[in-house]
Amino acid sequence: DIQMTQSPSSLSASVGDRVTITCRASQSISIYLNWYQQKPGKAPKLLIYAASSLQSGVPSRFSGSGSVTDFTLTISSLQPEDFATYYCQQSYTTPHTFGQGTKLEIK
Amino acid sequence: QITLKESGPTLVKPTQTLTLTCTFSGFSLSTSGLGVGWIRQPPGKALEWLALIYWDDDKRYNPSLKSRLAITKDTSKNQVVLTMTNMDPVDTATYFCARYRWGYDYWGQGTLVTVSS
Repeated sequence: DIQMTQSPSSLSASVGDRVTITCRASQSISIYLNWYQQKPGKAPKLLIYAASSLQSGVPSRFSGSGSVTDFTLTISSLQPEDFATYYCQQSYTTPHTFGQGTKLEIK
Repeated sequence: QITLKESGPTLVKPTQTLTLTCTFSGFSLSTSGLGVGWIRQPPGKALEWLALIYWDDDKRYNPSLKSRLAITKDTSKNQVVLTMTNMDPVDTATYFCARYRWGYDYWGQGTLVTVSS
């Protein structure tokens, strides 16, 4: 299985901050990397697919970059509704493994 | 409008078999490139990928659970069914189904399954 490692595991930030979350794959996954946002009691929501493609309806303050093994999710200016847990996931090969999550909290 | 919804028991006993149904609308699983997968999340923990069935009936499983899982589809009914045998309390989780294209772009609300005697 491909292991996905996110950092940090948790993060405190303020509204308006620029935030970056990183995800590293244990082997090359090309650009087959997706990012999800999950709020308590809700299903995950796809934000970014194929490393840098913005899912329809997702605000442009979210962006993704990277390839091979190293990826980042950036939120350019945090909004109150962005405080949530974020997961990366590889879809290069099954099992489509997820990272352990990054909890973004209000400072 | 694309929707998915999970259904099945909320409580199962240890050693029993769990059967979950994902009923979807707004797309057809006969469309090339599409799939429907199952993902679970134990309370307070991370997401765990379980299984995926593609439009061409190709089936993929999490190797760590492969011996216990089976996924099938009924294209005419717009349903995907996941069965998991020999349930254990550690399998207590919210189980989600989701449509797969590039990523999992549409999700059901999830169903909490508790394993307890």
